[in-house]
Amino acid sequence: NAGVTQTPKFRVLKTGQSMTLLCAQDMNHEYMYWYRQDPGMGLRLIHYSVGEGTTAKGEVPDGYNVSRLKKQNFLLGLESAAPSQTSVYFCASSDDSETQYFGPGTRLLVL
Amino acid sequence: AQSVTQLDSQVPVFEEAPVELRCNYSSSVSVYLFWYVQYPNQGLQLLLKYLSGSTLVESINGFEAEFNKSQTSFHLRKPSVHISDTAEYFCAAVDTGRRALTFGSGTRLQVQP
Repeated sequence: NAGVTQTPKFRVLKTGQSMTLLCAQDMNHEYMYWYRQDPGMGLRLIHYSVGEGTTAKGEVPDGYNVSRLKKQNFLLGLESAAPSQTSVYFCASSDDSETQYFGPGTRLLVL
Repeated sequence: AQSVTQLDSQVPVFEEAPVELRCNYSSSVSVYLFWYVQYPNQGLQLLLKYLSGSTLVESINGFEAEFNKSQTSFHLRKPSVHISDTAEYFCAAVDTGRRALTFGSGTRLQVQP
Protein backbone atom coordinates (compact mmCIF):
# COMPACT_ATOMS: atom_id res chain seq x y z
CA ASN A 1 0.00 0.00 0.00
CA ALA A 2 1.94 3.03 -1.27
CA GLY A 3 -0.64 5.65 -0.32
CA VAL A 4 -0.27 8.78 -2.43
CA THR A 5 2.62 9.02 -4.87
CA GLN A 6 3.72 11.91 -7.06
CA THR A 7 5.79 12.00 -10.24
CA PRO A 8 8.25 13.63 -10.80
CA LYS A 9 9.92 14.61 -7.52
CA PHE A 10 11.76 17.56 -9.03
CA ARG A 11 11.66 19.40 -12.35
CA VAL A 12 13.21 22.48 -13.92
CA LEU A 13 11.33 24.19 -16.74
CA LYS A 14 11.97 27.17 -18.94
CA THR A 15 9.30 29.83 -19.23
CA GLY A 16 6.70 28.78 -21.77
CA GLN A 17 7.34 25.05 -21.54
CA SER A 18 4.60 22.64 -20.60
CA MET A 19 4.52 19.69 -18.26
CA THR A 20 2.19 17.32 -16.44
CA LEU A 21 2.43 16.29 -12.80
CA LEU A 22 1.01 12.89 -11.97
CA CYS A 23 -0.64 11.93 -8.71
CA ALA A 24 -1.67 8.36 -7.96
CA GLN A 25 -3.44 6.88 -4.94
CA ASP A 26 -4.12 3.25 -4.12
CA MET A 27 -6.64 3.77 -1.30
CA ASN A 28 -9.73 3.88 -3.54
CA HIS A 29 -10.48 7.44 -2.42
CA GLU A 30 -13.15 9.44 -4.20
CA TYR A 31 -11.69 12.88 -3.55
CA MET A 32 -8.37 14.21 -4.80
CA TYR A 33 -6.72 17.61 -4.58
CA TRP A 34 -3.80 19.63 -5.89
CA TYR A 35 -2.18 22.27 -3.67
CA ARG A 36 0.79 24.54 -4.07
CA GLN A 37 2.99 25.52 -1.14
CA ASP A 38 4.83 28.82 -1.08
CA PRO A 39 6.87 30.29 1.80
CA GLY A 40 4.73 32.12 4.34
CA MET A 41 1.48 31.26 2.56
CA GLY A 42 0.71 27.75 3.68
CA LEU A 43 -0.91 25.50 1.11
CA ARG A 44 -3.38 26.85 -1.41
CA LEU A 45 -5.86 24.74 -3.33
CA ILE A 46 -5.42 24.75 -7.11
CA HIS A 47 -8.03 22.24 -8.31
CA TYR A 48 -9.86 19.30 -6.82
CA SER A 49 -12.01 16.35 -7.86
CA VAL A 50 -14.94 14.72 -6.09
CA GLY A 51 -14.91 11.64 -8.30
CA GLU A 52 -13.76 10.07 -11.53
CA GLY A 53 -14.49 12.33 -14.49
CA THR A 54 -15.14 15.43 -12.37
CA THR A 55 -12.94 18.43 -11.58
CA ALA A 56 -13.46 21.83 -9.98
CA LYS A 57 -11.50 25.03 -9.44
CA GLY A 58 -9.92 25.86 -6.15
CA GLU A 59 -8.44 29.06 -4.79
CA VAL A 60 -5.64 29.58 -7.36
CA PRO A 61 -6.60 27.76 -10.60
CA ASP A 62 -5.24 30.17 -13.21
CA GLY A 63 -2.51 28.72 -15.41
CA TYR A 64 -3.32 25.12 -14.48
CA ASN A 65 -5.55 22.39 -15.86
CA VAL A 66 -6.44 19.01 -14.40
CA SER A 67 -7.93 15.71 -15.44
CA ARG A 68 -9.34 12.73 -13.54
CA LEU A 69 -9.85 10.07 -16.19
CA LYS A 70 -9.24 7.23 -13.73
CA LYS A 71 -10.28 7.16 -10.09
CA GLN A 72 -6.75 6.52 -8.87
CA ASN A 73 -5.02 9.25 -10.90
CA PHE A 74 -5.22 13.05 -10.82
CA LEU A 75 -3.11 14.95 -13.34
CA LEU A 76 -2.06 18.60 -13.05
CA GLY A 77 -0.99 20.33 -16.26
CA LEU A 78 0.91 23.53 -16.89
CA GLU A 79 0.39 24.55 -20.53
CA SER A 80 2.83 27.47 -20.54
CA ALA A 81 4.95 27.65 -17.40
CA ALA A 82 5.72 30.99 -15.77
CA PRO A 83 8.26 31.87 -13.05
CA SER A 84 5.32 32.57 -10.70
CA GLN A 85 4.54 28.87 -10.84
CA THR A 86 7.81 27.99 -9.13
CA SER A 87 6.56 26.18 -6.06
CA VAL A 88 6.20 22.86 -4.29
CA TYR A 89 3.12 20.99 -5.44
CA PHE A 90 1.30 18.55 -3.21
CA CYS A 91 -1.38 16.10 -4.14
CA ALA A 92 -3.80 14.70 -1.57
CA SER A 93 -6.69 12.28 -1.46
CA SER A 94 -9.49 11.61 0.99
CA ASP A 95 -12.52 9.49 1.69
CA ASP A 96 -15.62 10.50 3.65
CA SER A 97 -13.63 10.77 6.88
CA GLU A 98 -12.50 14.33 6.04
CA THR A 99 -8.88 13.32 6.59
CA GLN A 100 -6.61 14.09 3.66
CA TYR A 101 -3.53 12.01 2.87
CA PHE A 102 -0.68 13.84 1.18
CA GLY A 103 1.94 12.80 -1.30
CA PRO A 104 5.64 13.68 -0.86
CA GLY A 105 5.49 16.69 -3.16
CA THR A 106 6.97 17.85 -6.47
CA ARG A 107 9.44 20.71 -6.50
CA LEU A 108 9.10 22.80 -9.65
CA LEU A 109 11.49 25.54 -10.71
CA VAL A 110 10.54 27.71 -13.67
CA LEU A 111 13.37 29.80 -15.08
CA ALA B 1 -14.75 33.35 2.70
CA GLN B 2 -13.30 31.33 5.48
CA SER B 3 -9.83 31.86 6.81
CA VAL B 4 -7.41 30.21 9.18
CA THR B 5 -4.85 32.34 10.99
CA GLN B 6 -1.67 31.14 12.64
CA LEU B 7 -0.36 34.03 14.64
CA ASP B 8 3.26 32.93 14.95
CA SER B 9 5.45 32.19 11.95
CA GLN B 10 8.27 30.81 14.11
CA VAL B 11 8.39 29.49 17.66
CA PRO B 12 11.81 28.74 19.17
CA VAL B 13 11.74 26.65 22.33
CA PHE B 14 14.18 24.67 24.43
CA GLU B 15 13.96 20.90 24.67
CA GLU B 16 11.62 19.65 27.43
CA ALA B 17 9.86 23.04 27.65
CA PRO B 18 6.12 23.38 26.99
CA VAL B 19 4.89 24.91 23.76
CA GLU B 20 1.66 26.34 22.35
CA LEU B 21 1.06 27.00 18.67
CA ARG B 22 -1.87 29.29 18.10
CA CYS B 23 -4.61 28.91 15.49
CA ASN B 24 -7.77 30.93 14.98
CA TYR B 25 -10.44 30.39 12.36
CA SER B 26 -13.15 32.60 10.93
CA SER B 27 -16.64 32.12 12.27
CA SER B 28 -18.01 31.09 8.87
CA VAL B 29 -15.76 28.08 8.56
CA SER B 30 -16.87 24.55 9.18
CA VAL B 31 -16.02 23.29 12.63
CA TYR B 32 -13.89 20.49 11.25
CA LEU B 33 -10.37 21.45 12.28
CA PHE B 34 -7.00 19.81 11.76
CA TRP B 35 -3.34 20.09 12.63
CA TYR B 36 -0.85 18.75 10.12
CA VAL B 37 2.92 18.44 10.60
CA GLN B 38 5.55 18.72 7.87
CA TYR B 39 9.07 17.48 8.54
CA PRO B 40 11.85 18.86 6.31
CA ASN B 41 11.55 17.83 2.67
CA GLN B 42 8.49 15.71 3.33
CA GLY B 43 4.77 15.89 2.72
CA LEU B 44 2.16 16.74 5.33
CA GLN B 45 1.06 14.21 7.95
CA LEU B 46 -2.11 14.44 10.00
CA LEU B 47 -1.32 15.14 13.65
CA LEU B 48 -4.84 15.38 15.08
CA LYS B 49 -8.33 16.48 14.16
CA TYR B 50 -11.59 17.73 15.64
CA LEU B 51 -14.80 16.71 13.93
CA SER B 52 -17.28 16.56 16.81
CA GLY B 53 -17.64 15.37 20.40
CA SER B 54 -14.97 16.08 23.01
CA THR B 55 -13.37 19.45 22.45
CA LEU B 56 -9.96 18.14 23.56
CA VAL B 57 -8.22 15.92 21.04
CA GLU B 58 -4.88 14.20 21.40
CA SER B 59 -2.21 12.75 19.13
CA ILE B 60 -0.15 9.63 19.74
CA ASN B 61 3.06 11.63 20.27
CA GLY B 62 1.88 13.85 23.12
CA PHE B 63 0.34 16.83 21.31
CA GLU B 64 -3.16 17.99 22.13
CA ALA B 65 -5.50 20.67 20.83
CA GLU B 66 -8.66 22.15 22.23
CA PHE B 67 -11.55 23.39 20.15
CA ASN B 68 -12.86 26.61 21.65
CA LYS B 69 -15.98 27.77 19.85
CA SER B 70 -16.40 31.03 21.76
CA GLN B 71 -12.86 32.12 20.95
CA THR B 72 -12.84 30.46 17.51
CA SER B 73 -9.51 28.87 18.35
CA PHE B 74 -7.85 25.48 18.00
CA HIS B 75 -4.47 25.92 19.68
CA LEU B 76 -1.93 23.09 19.68
CA ARG B 77 -0.02 22.30 22.87
CA LYS B 78 2.62 19.92 24.13
CA PRO B 79 3.81 19.91 27.76
CA SER B 80 7.40 18.84 26.93
CA VAL B 81 8.91 19.03 23.45
CA HIS B 82 11.70 16.95 21.94
CA ILE B 83 14.30 17.77 19.32
CA SER B 84 12.40 15.46 16.97
CA ASP B 85 9.35 17.76 17.15
CA THR B 86 11.21 20.33 15.06
CA ALA B 87 8.99 20.79 12.02
CA GLU B 88 6.44 23.10 10.45
CA TYR B 89 2.92 22.83 11.77
CA PHE B 90 -0.17 23.77 9.80
CA CYS B 91 -3.64 24.41 11.13
CA ALA B 92 -6.43 23.73 8.64
CA ALA B 93 -10.19 23.75 8.35
CA VAL B 94 -12.36 21.84 5.96
CA ASP B 95 -14.69 23.63 3.62
CA THR B 96 -17.70 21.36 3.54
CA GLY B 97 -18.89 23.09 0.40
CA ARG B 98 -15.82 21.93 -1.49
CA ARG B 99 -14.43 19.19 0.77
CA ALA B 100 -11.08 20.96 0.51
CA LEU B 101 -8.86 22.27 3.26
CA THR B 102 -8.12 25.91 3.99
CA PHE B 103 -4.67 26.15 5.56
CA GLY B 104 -3.05 28.66 7.84
CA SER B 105 0.34 30.03 6.83
CA GLY B 106 2.21 27.61 9.10
CA THR B 107 4.31 27.83 12.27
CA ARG B 108 7.87 26.65 12.28
CA LEU B 109 8.68 25.01 15.62
CA GLN B 110 12.40 25.05 16.36
CA VAL B 111 13.39 22.92 19.35
CA GLN B 112 16.83 23.76 20.69
CA PRO B 113 18.96 21.57 23.00
